[in-house]
Amino acid sequence: QKEVEQNSGPLSVPEGAIASLNCTYSDRGSQSFFWYRQYSGKSPELIMSIYSNGDKEDGRFTAQLNKASQYVSLLIRDSQPSDSATYLCAVNRGNFGNEKLTFGTGTRLTIIP
Amino acid sequence: DVKVTQSSRYLVKRTGEKVFLECVQDMDHENMFWYRQDPGLGLRLIYFSYDVKMKEKGDIPEGYSVSREKKERFSLILESASTNQTSMYLCASPSGEAGTMNTEAFFGQGTRLTVV
Repeated sequence: QKEVEQNSGPLSVPEGAIASLNCTYSDRGSQSFFWYRQYSGKSPELIMSIYSNGDKEDGRFTAQLNKASQYVSLLIRDSQPSDSATYLCAVNRGNFGNEKLTFGTGTRLTIIP
Repeated sequence: DVKVTQSSRYLVKRTGEKVFLECVQDMDHENMFWYRQDPGLGLRLIYFSYDVKMKEKGDIPEGYSVSREKKERFSLILESASTNQTSMYLCASPSGEAGTMNTEAFFGQGTRLTVV
């Protein structure tokens, strides 16, 4: 089982609709969860972080975390063409003071005008 | 703004050459990481460091080594480049305490290395 798993997509969503991206992780000790966005040819950039069970909202983005199910998701409301990118789920693993940041393979999202 | 700068955007090297990829960060971060990114495989951790002269193997360290002589600089070394090391290499520097990954990781612009 991979440390962090994502559906590679591509995921196509009409403009204005909600895009839903999912991620599962294997290390039950993980405490920090991140969503990075990567445009083609560019480096990843952080869009959301979440540390507690439940929802965290930031503008059009909502991150959801369920530690019991080892599941984290990202919702993008009112999707825009500029949201077309690859979305990477990242999770910390290891013991405190000796942690690593592990990424999923990413989900490619396309917003259709 | 935090800046993570990689020395080259594109690099072409021959099989068997020793290759140095340099990464410099300007925010006094303890943590620095090297990843490679390949289609379908995502970002895979090669090596990381929490402190000067400290290094830890990541998930795919074979064929690579690193050097961290100064806090701001983390170098990735391909001892004898091979064609299967053709990839995009990304340096990242998370903020926060040494050895903790609970804050944002800032990435360099990447180095696309081609080994021929």
